[in-house]
Amino acid sequence: DAKTTQPNSMESNEEEPVHLPCNHSTISGTDYIHWYRQLPSQGPEYVIHGLTSNVNNRMASLAIAEDRKSSTLILHRATLRDAAVYYCILIGNAGNMLTFGGGTRLMVKP
Amino acid sequence: KAGVTQTPRYLIKTRGQQVTLSCSPISGHRSVSWYQQTPGQGLQFLFEYFSETQRNKGNFPGRFSGRQFSNSRSEMNVSTLELGDSALYLCASSLVGTGTDTQYFGPGTRLTVL
Repeated sequence: DAKTTQPNSMESNEEEPVHLPCNHSTISGTDYIHWYRQLPSQGPEYVIHGLTSNVNNRMASLAIAEDRKSSTLILHRATLRDAAVYYCILIGNAGNMLTFGGGTRLMVKP
Repeated sequence: KAGVTQTPRYLIKTRGQQVTLSCSPISGHRSVSWYQQTPGQGLQFLFEYFSETQRNKGNFPGRFSGRQFSNSRSEMNVSTLELGDSALYLCASSLVGTGTDTQYFGPGTRLTVL
């Protein structure tokens, strides 16, 4: 699986939007872009995924660049519960092998 | 629908011993993956099983092995434990394990090797 690059940490104020960036310049045409997050003392949980078009779900939005070399996870209104490590992962269609990078530690201030 | 369950939740072993960890996937899920999480190395993929066959394998020594049963339950085994094997071991299940699948993680088994 291709490599992703994310900032080590980001800070946000509660109730404000958060944009978490991810660079994946070596993405292949069949790689899906997945985001997972890990809250303290828990296993990772799925947030969202996409291939080419922007995606929305109840948790977040995923904006994918036209060349697919980068993407941004958008939390529309950060809450304290959103404080977690966010992982951007690329996965092909040949089996489920998530390659986690360092992720971005999101801190949310009240 | 019940989530992914892992047993035991905590385990203490000594160097040289072996250990078996168990994972019960979400009902209907056929793909089970295992991950090791340590403060130094982060989350690392161990292996993935689908329909009782190992389909993908990470870069771990042969002391780490696994298997999957016909009901999709999976076990992983670590033989000749080393201090560096102390970690959180996470299991994740998904329907068929493709790029569009969501993986659901269990709470993990915290292994401490003394």
